[in-house]
Amino acid sequence: AQRVTQPEKLLSVFKGAPVELKCNYSYSGSPELFWYVQYSRQRLQLLLRHISRESIKGFTADLNKGETSFHLKKPFAQEEDSAMYYCAPVNQAGTALIFGKGTTLSVSS
Amino acid sequence: EPEVTQTPSHQVTQMGQEVILRCVPISNHLYFYWYRQILGQKVEFLVSFYNNEISEKSEIFDDQFSVERPDGSNFTLKIRSTKLEDSAMYFCAITFRGGTDTQYFGPGTRLTVL
Repeated sequence: AQRVTQPEKLLSVFKGAPVELKCNYSYSGSPELFWYVQYSRQRLQLLLRHISRESIKGFTADLNKGETSFHLKKPFAQEEDSAMYYCAPVNQAGTALIFGKGTTLSVSS
Repeated sequence: EPEVTQTPSHQVTQMGQEVILRCVPISNHLYFYWYRQILGQKVEFLVSFYNNEISEKSEIFDDQFSVERPDGSNFTLKIRSTKLEDSAMYFCAITFRGGTDTQYFGPGTRLTVL
């Protein structure tokens, strides 16, 4: 079965600290990978996607095919980064997203 | 970013009743999706819909569920006879170019089955 693992349910950091939200997926090949974010009381929205290689709000994510990981990183966390983050590769059929359980990032001053 | 609205924002129903959840994309899209999120659990794929027919469905999407696009704009999810375990947030999503494209989500409908 295709699985996505986000091992941390909650990650608490201080403002200015580096952040890494972990994501591992279970299947081989070259999946299309996304990170979605959900701020308090808002809808799920795209943070970044692997194929575009963009840096959004200072976040980056590198695909490691050997480790089947797609960890999300930011060098200096801001309070406004506090949100729920979901790693979501596309399934192998290319038809739908498979979501991880999500990691709540809490950034305090 | 394309806008997606969902109605109602919150639906409370009795077990065994039928509910219809609506998704209204504010532009022309061909690919539609429904996901659900039971409280405290992950977002789960239910069904994808393309060219007026189901293109894929998960094992969750059993005979109690159906989808349609009755008037060319609204995209609906119907649950024929709700069960307690159907209580969840239901999210509609759309893409321009299929499942590998960026999905744009609606705000969700919270369904509570009593």
